[in-house]
Amino acid sequence: SQQGEEDPQALSIQEGENATMNCSYKTSINNLQWYRQNSGRGLVHLILIRSNEREKHSGRLRVTLDTSKKSSSLLITASRAADTASYFCATGPDSNYQLIWGAGTKLIIKP
Amino acid sequence: GAVVSQHPSWVICKSGTSVKIECRSLDFQATTMFWYRQFPKQSLMLMATSNEGSKATYEQGVEKDKFLINHASLTLSTLTVTSAHPEDSSFYICSPDRGQLGAFFGQGTRLTVV
Repeated sequence: SQQGEEDPQALSIQEGENATMNCSYKTSINNLQWYRQNSGRGLVHLILIRSNEREKHSGRLRVTLDTSKKSSSLLITASRAADTASYFCATGPDSNYQLIWGAGTKLIIKP
Repeated sequence: GAVVSQHPSWVICKSGTSVKIECRSLDFQATTMFWYRQFPKQSLMLMATSNEGSKATYEQGVEKDKFLINHASLTLSTLTVTSAHPEDSSFYICSPDRGQLGAFFGQGTRLTVV
């Protein structure tokens, strides 16, 4: 079952604007991961943030993690048309392999 | 109920042997199947995309001769780890491309090569 939830479910913005997606979860975690999936393609790992980290950057991506609120956000700055995709968060609990997935946010960047 | 069945769930094999992992899409005719690999407490890494009736597409750095993928039908894709070595020990997960229906994953196969 899905215990992670992303919001919004869908987001449509103009190219150049910033896009923010949120993820909430229910259980304690070891880490939280964000993935992107383009239509017809496999998941691509974006960022992994560990439970003892609060913020992480990778290029135009910024991920925050608030373990007290059991939530994370993914910010994409200066969005581009190529950022159009579905974005998923997944939480890694204490076990080695299991990931718990959210339903995803569909992001559309309008040119 | 489960929509993706992956078998076996775990396997231990000797170094140099080959292991076949099956992934069945139970309620959906999957033209495309994604194969991922995951190390402990790490992210899923896309290995390859298999397409029914044609050759699989491998991600950069993944050896196609080592990880043989066959997608012979719309409901079955297989991944064979050939001449397995301890560094191949990992968790392998399949996921059929269900388009707008969302992402679903097999139970995963934990491979340990000794």
